[in-house]
Amino acid sequence: GENVEQHPSTLSVQEGDSAVIKCTYSDSASNYFPWYKQELGKGPQLIIDIRSNVGEKKDQRIAVTLNKTAKHFSLHITETQPEDSAVYFCAASNNDYKLSFGAGTTVTVRA
Amino acid sequence: KAGVTQTPRYLIKTRGQQVTLSCSPISGHRSVSWYQQTPGQGLQFLFEYFSETQRNKGNFPGRFSGRQFSNSRSEMNVSTLELGDSALYLCASSLAGRSSTNEKLFFGSGTQLSVL
Repeated sequence: GENVEQHPSTLSVQEGDSAVIKCTYSDSASNYFPWYKQELGKGPQLIIDIRSNVGEKKDQRIAVTLNKTAKHFSLHITETQPEDSAVYFCAASNNDYKLSFGAGTTVTVRA
Repeated sequence: KAGVTQTPRYLIKTRGQQVTLSCSPISGHRSVSWYQQTPGQGLQFLFEYFSETQRNKGNFPGRFSGRQFSNSRSEMNVSTLELGDSALYLCASSLAGRSSTNEKLFFGSGTQLSVL
């Protein structure tokens, strides 16, 4: 099955700096890659997603890049703010009605 | 539009008991998935339902089961509870249809199950 690895496990950044989280996947058939943000006591919230026919996607301060050849994708958060502090998960899917998640990255934005 | 609703929010059970968790998807969503979240194993896929049919199942023992009703609401059941079943159980819904798959998945806040 699909195996998704996520790095780093923790990330501390100064407010206003950028944060980058990287994920690799094993199944070359995977074609959908969402990112989720989970705050304490809440379920994961979809923040951005990308499909395999696209190399990059942006939504305000958030961007995701995908390299199908290398089987890795990354989340970039620019101009970080305290409310960006949360756990972020990457995931991958290959049309089998399920998501395989990375282990998560705890992001702390220092004021 | 209301989000995914899961009940109850918290549950405490003892070993050997069984438990039923409930999930109401976003209105219009017919696909419902369940995931288990633990500090050690992260987010693990349990099963997915569409139109009352299970389309995929994760690597969990048969003690974990689920079903979906004609109104798309779903329940999952865990029988003969073990200490290791303590986890946050998350339900998610999507617009995925019979032939469409990778649609956006929206999660509820989960049911925190503690097995003593």
